Amino acid sequence: AQTVTQSQPEMSVQEAETVTLSCTYDTSESDYYLFWYKQPPSRQMILVIRQEAYKQQNATENRFSVNFQKAAKSFSLKISDSQLGDAAMYFCAYRRDFGNEKLTFGTGTRLTIIP
Amino acid sequence: SAVISQKPSRDICQRGTSLTIQCQVDSQVTMMFWYRQQPGQSLTLIATANQGSEATYESGFVIDKFPISRPNLTFSTLTVSNMSPEDSSIYLCSVEGQYYGYTFGSGTRLTVV
Repeated sequence: AQTVTQSQPEMSVQEAETVTLSCTYDTSESDYYLFWYKQPPSRQMILVIRQEAYKQQNATENRFSVNFQKAAKSFSLKISDSQLGDAAMYFCAYRRDFGNEKLTFGTGTRLTIIP
Repeated sequence: SAVISQKPSRDICQRGTSLTIQCQVDSQVTMMFWYRQQPGQSLTLIATANQGSEATYESGFVIDKFPISRPNLTFSTLTVSNMSPEDSSIYLCSVEGQYYGYTFGSGTRLTVV
């Protein structure tokens, strides 16, 4: 079974600085997708960024980028120029490359932005 | 990507009663997923609902406790039956969206007293 591990229960960063959230996963599959979701206090799950395992190029979305290391099964999220609105729980998630597959989530990292 | 309307947003229920949560999607989707998020925890999949067939439940979840309805391709309900305080959680529905991303409903915060 696939597992997703987030080893940092809490992180904090100064506003405008850069922070990196860690995620590792375990799978025997070669094709899959990885995601980072953000859950602010409103509890709405918001997709931050996604990465296809077959792509070597790391995904980027504005201030958000990932460092995808397939061999190491590592998928970290870097947030640049941190803003107060980035404060939230961040969940790493894995999905096999099949139709209608479920997401497997990590335990989450609570990110605090220090003004 | 799809937009999901989930209701109720929150409820406080007496133990022993049942609550039905509804999710309406603005487009037709094959599968809908129901997750539970216990306080301070991550999301755990309860079941996957396919239109026209019985839902598939994950280990630790049973149909008698969490019956699911999927009458058409845009709607599903999850019932939490015979509730106890341990059922106090956030319940979320989800559908697969564009480019394999997933869209979530806004969640139902359930408190059982």
